[in-house]
Amino acid sequence: DTEVTQTPKHLVMGMTNKKSLKCEQHMGHRAMYWYKQKAKKPPELMFVYSYEKLSINESVPSRFSPECPNSSLLNLHLHALQPEDSALYLCASSQDFLASVWNEQFFGPGTRLTVL
Amino acid sequence: EDQVTQSPEALRLQEGESSSLNCSYTVSGLRGLFWYRQDPGKGPEFLFTLYSAGEEKEKERLKATLTKKESFLHITAPKPEDSATYLCAVPAGNNRKLIWGLGTSLAVNP
Repeated sequence: DTEVTQTPKHLVMGMTNKKSLKCEQHMGHRAMYWYKQKAKKPPELMFVYSYEKLSINESVPSRFSPECPNSSLLNLHLHALQPEDSALYLCASSQDFLASVWNEQFFGPGTRLTVL
Repeated sequence: EDQVTQSPEALRLQEGESSSLNCSYTVSGLRGLFWYRQDPGKGPEFLFTLYSAGEEKEKERLKATLTKKESFLHITAPKPEDSATYLCAVPAGNNRKLIWGLGTSLAVNP
């Protein structure tokens, strides 16, 4: 099974709201990723967790706060977002992140976020 | 500078009309090349991984090939359901990130 699930599918929030995006995988992967994707652009890396530790933060504003409670779950906490943060937020996982051989990443269906 | 360029940007085919999409890359020490398919509003769907020049992989109507400078995604006798954006990505030469192309938007008319 190569499935990554994400909830919710759609989210509309005001600039003062706090919300969370959730991601789950049961493939035994030890690396999990958050990406942001704008229309007609490729995915843009935000965060990487490897073995439940934050490995990469691509200088993402602090209004985005990632959390990896265990090896199967990844959350993205949102607070005081701006309208320009509206995008498709994608979660992905791969077998490993630090291995010398790159493994393919499997993506979830995404959460369409609209910030009013 | 590491770079991935995909061409064409958009391609319109008639059903059954075979064609190829191109992904050219400049990166120091290729450690893999990944092809994905993405439908509008959905996450990318993994298609293929290629690791070395000369490698080929096939799945249904799709065949991916790799040379030292580029990869091709050949689509044989496409169907309307093959309509999607096709993305390729390579690991950057000096950090643990994927470098993505801008994609080829494929439309297959019945």
